[in-house]
Amino acid sequence: SQQGEEDPQALSIQEGENATMNCSYKTSINNLQWYRQNSGRGLVHLILIRSNEREKHSGRLRVTLDTSKKSSSLLITASRAADTASYFCATAPNTGNQFYFGTGTSLTVIP
Amino acid sequence: DADVTQTPRNRITKTGKRIMLECSQTKGHDRMYWYRQDPGLGLRLIYYSFDVKDINKGEISDGYSVSRQAQAKFSLSLESAIPNQTALYFCATNGLTRPLRSNQPQHFGDGTRLSIL
Repeated sequence: SQQGEEDPQALSIQEGENATMNCSYKTSINNLQWYRQNSGRGLVHLILIRSNEREKHSGRLRVTLDTSKKSSSLLITASRAADTASYFCATAPNTGNQFYFGTGTSLTVIP
Repeated sequence: DADVTQTPRNRITKTGKRIMLECSQTKGHDRMYWYRQDPGLGLRLIYYSFDVKDINKGEISDGYSVSRQAQAKFSLSLESAIPNQTALYFCATNGLTRPLRSNQPQHFGDGTRLSIL
């Protein structure tokens, strides 16, 4: 399987704290994307980082990419209860046309 | 209205039955995908299609078939359902950036929860 893995599998924090989740993958990539999934809903795209980028910001989200280690991290700053969801990374490889999703991190933000 | 619509949202059926899950999109995207989601396993790709005449197997295509009836419609069939096909099924679409033709992010439907008894 070429699936990536997220770490940790589950994370519980207090509102206002920062949440960091990590993604490791196996192949060379064109880009890496992070998605969010609320319970019972489909995935929603959050942010995309290209293979030639090292860091990207979007609002309270910060994504880093280290292609030498085949890893990425997603930081959510000043978390809110509404950030409670599962977060997935997905890689778009250089070759082939498929996306490969990680196993997800379940984030709980306690009010 | 949702950009990617899946029907039905929930389905309970018996082993051996034929089931069709439908997906329609208003995004105008050429690329469409079917995934299944199981607890602890993330999303796994079943089939994907890049236009009406194009069908490709994904990681776990055995026991499934698909039909791309039009650019906007992509259906998934289980010819003879078995209990280990109980899962949450998602349809997704995406386009390509121009001019580099790299994959844009995917847009997902809200899923079909399928239970096979």
